Amino acid sequence: QLVLTQSPSASASLGASVKLTCTLSSGHSSYAIAWHQKQPEKGPRYLMKVNSDGSHTKGDGIPDRFSGSSSGAERYLTISRLQSEDEADYYCQAWGGANHVFGGGTKLTVL
Amino acid sequence: QVQLQESGPGLVKPSETLSLTCTVSGGSISSTSYYWGWIRQPPGKGLEWIGSLYYSGSAYYNESLESRVTISLDTSKNQFSLRLTSVTAADMSVYYCARFVAVAGQADSWGQGTLVTVSA
Repeated sequence: QLVLTQSPSASASLGASVKLTCTLSSGHSSYAIAWHQKQPEKGPRYLMKVNSDGSHTKGDGIPDRFSGSSSGAERYLTISRLQSEDEADYYCQAWGGANHVFGGGTKLTVL
Repeated sequence: QVQLQESGPGLVKPSETLSLTCTVSGGSISSTSYYWGWIRQPPGKGLEWIGSLYYSGSAYYNESLESRVTISLDTSKNQFSLRLTSVTAADMSVYYCARFVAVAGQADSWGQGTLVTVSA
């Protein structure tokens, strides 16, 4: 069964960098995932797709501060030069066959 | 740039049917490059995929909701809809419609969401 695991929370200082992790369940380490940002009172925003080889394709208008990478069953979202507006929930999404799953989300606090 | 907008009643009584519509602008729902779906987020919880529908008519639903869910397309209005029967308090959520990339699979555009409350 395809399951995505995310840490519930993360924090980093304004101007610093943070790396969020999404872990694919056993047997699914070759899967691509997508990262989405969810700010309060707004709809989710697609950030990027991250492939198993670490390549990533960003959505329209996503700043260069956002990047993706991979290692084994882990998929990463790195945000550099943190800004206050980056404080949000971040969800990973994967798909298997015709089904989709989301991770539980990571709440990012910018200190 | 494609935009998606959910609409429908914000209040549904228990045991009744929840019906929502997503209006797509800036792109055609008949495009074979994409498919369309619904995701929800209960208060204080994470995102849950409800189901997706291809232009061909093939629909796929979350197993946990499959017996109660129908997603349909109205190409004449460039809209797609969600129907969820026999709702309970557990169905109270913000409901989002989204566009999915057909070959790749990611949701690349989202609506702003609509809150549906289930209460008598």
